[in-house]
Amino acid sequence: GAVVSQHPSRVICKSGTSVKIECRSLDFQATTMFWYRQFPKQSLMLMATSNEGSKATYEQGVEKDKFLINHASLTLSTLTVTSAHPEDSSFYICSARDPQDSPLHFGNGTRLTVT
Amino acid sequence: DQQVKQNSPSLSVQEGRISILNCDYTNSMFDYFLWYKKYPAEGPTFLISISSIKDKNEDGRFTVFLNKSAKHLSLHIVPSQPGDSAVYFCAAERQGAQKLVFGQGTRLTINP
Repeated sequence: GAVVSQHPSRVICKSGTSVKIECRSLDFQATTMFWYRQFPKQSLMLMATSNEGSKATYEQGVEKDKFLINHASLTLSTLTVTSAHPEDSSFYICSARDPQDSPLHFGNGTRLTVT
Repeated sequence: DQQVKQNSPSLSVQEGRISILNCDYTNSMFDYFLWYKKYPAEGPTFLISISSIKDKNEDGRFTVFLNKSAKHLSLHIVPSQPGDSAVYFCAAERQGAQKLVFGQGTRLTINP
């Protein structure tokens, strides 16, 4: 089945620094990828839709200048958390849909801890 | 506004018995529903889905039932196995919108 790879799986950074998370579709091309965020014991919340070759679409309440999304190719989307603060600590998960296969497939997530 | 709700945060079931996880939704525009399984520190794994034109879909030990009039769906796992212990998320979308809306999840524990 479709495979979505996410890297890194875990990152610890200092407050004020930026962190980049990569999401790759390994065996299919994805014109659209999705970035979710999950707080402990809570649901997955859609942050933004990453569109290849164009600007990302952000959900209400998500700061686009803080969470920079780049979807430069059909197999790679990146999420950069800029000037990270402790409240940005969370589990970030990307997903993509193989056009040949209906359900959304998820990466393994990135645990971000900002100290 | 929680459009997809899983009202049971946790469920404990004896191995070999049936596990029933429930999900309710409020948006009548949703026409595709999915169940995902999630282990700690991992991304969700797709389990089974159902289109609104059906009321049941079965895949091995997993069956999803959809009651459109009640805006309710359920996932049945039978027989339950220890490896089924995980958090299960119900999700819904309107086909074409490409946006999945997730419930809060239910932690299922299968006891040996």
